[in-house]
Amino acid sequence: EAGVTQFPSHSVIEKGQTVTLRCDPISGHDNLYWYRRVMGKEIKFLLHFVKESKQDESGMPNNRFLAERTGGTYSTLKVQPAELEDSGVYFCASSQLSFNYGYTFGSGTRLTVV
Amino acid sequence: TQLLEQSPQFLSIQEGENLTVYCNSSSVFSSLQWYRQEPGEGPVLLVTVVTGGEVKKLKRLTFQFGDARKDSSLHITAAQPGDTGLYLCAGARSYQLTFGKGTKLSVIP
Repeated sequence: EAGVTQFPSHSVIEKGQTVTLRCDPISGHDNLYWYRRVMGKEIKFLLHFVKESKQDESGMPNNRFLAERTGGTYSTLKVQPAELEDSGVYFCASSQLSFNYGYTFGSGTRLTVV
Repeated sequence: TQLLEQSPQFLSIQEGENLTVYCNSSSVFSSLQWYRQEPGEGPVLLVTVVTGGEVKKLKRLTFQFGDARKDSSLHITAAQPGDTGLYLCAGARSYQLTFGKGTKLSVIP
């Protein structure tokens, strides 16, 4: 089965610009998650979708971040306007079973804001 | 505030040696998950432990969940160069994972 696909793999943008990251989960996985790792820190939770509904967005840093999941399939994470501290690696993951069974992660999008 | 302390952060050992990585927290988790991450890739699940005191083995890797479900360890026996990589522990509470900072392991031939 195809894994979790993220693109772009890398993005370099200027402060103040807008960037949209995309994630295609494993087909049939109702649960989709976004995580982020900033340099020197641990990977941190951003939000969780079940199908098209946001179940938990407590990890979203601020209102410059907007996540959507169209029709319960792919998801996008938009940062507008981007700030320097938004730089990091953004991971998407998906799962079908209970969270105790673990997640499948994508390769991530490395975002650099200059 | 880091809720999951992982140690050591870096580990460089000779091929054939044994090692243990620790993950400690003051919080109780529903499960403790171990991942391995290669450069440029996302974390790949190795194992999940769910029951307090549970021990799981994956070839030369042994994973243990503490009785109180607050800590876990990963023990590698007779490390091989192919074990080189970043090992991450993650505690699950509801659908959120709390990650440790990771242990970067280098196994020297």
